[in-house]
Amino acid sequence: NAGVTQTPKFQVLKTGQSMTLQCAQDMNHNSMYWYRQDPGMGLRLIYYSASEGTTDKGEVPNGYNVSRLNKREFSLRLESAAPSQTSVYFCASSEALRGSEAFFGQGTRLTVV
Amino acid sequence: AQSVTQLGSHVSVSEGALVLLRCNYSSSVPPYLFWYVQYPNQGLQLLLKYTTGATLVKGINGFEAEFKKSETSFHLTKPSAHMSDAAEYFCAVSNQAGTALIFGKGTTLSVSS
Repeated sequence: NAGVTQTPKFQVLKTGQSMTLQCAQDMNHNSMYWYRQDPGMGLRLIYYSASEGTTDKGEVPNGYNVSRLNKREFSLRLESAAPSQTSVYFCASSEALRGSEAFFGQGTRLTVV
Repeated sequence: AQSVTQLGSHVSVSEGALVLLRCNYSSSVPPYLFWYVQYPNQGLQLLLKYTTGATLVKGINGFEAEFKKSETSFHLTKPSAHMSDAAEYFCAVSNQAGTALIFGKGTTLSVSS
């Protein structure tokens, strides 16, 4: 059982380049999330999808777009990467119930130069 | 709005000593509270959670936490630290709608022999 799978694991981009981070879960969860982790800042929510077909902004959505492709997949796109987007990105999923545990992927370490 | 404050970005203990990681929360609704652990270069793993009922919650690896409404606290403890407990620990609270988790900035636990 793979859980939450993120690709790629590492990526280096030049300023202005675009890329899509992929995430897939095999736990039949309704809700999916994208967080970024920066030193001393904890995890900050970028976007979330409470169910298939819906997406909502989190705390730090600027510079990102998301697509909930189907129930399993939730992608994060950087249209024009900036050095401030250098971070570790985590995808997570959970049941759509308050108090449900979120399951996390292994993360994508992104460097924008 | 919901928020979490973790007191102390870095805690150092000796092997066999008591571990105490502090978390205070702010919530406009009855809180659902979580502790996650992150080992180096890995995703987050749930240690324990409080939803309703018993205020002393036991988790994995010998950790426990007590929900104290009067103090708006959810501190994490372990009676005897082990070298393998060295990691980063995050406290989190469900947002008001129950659609996502809001994380604290994390506490790095170091364990010395």
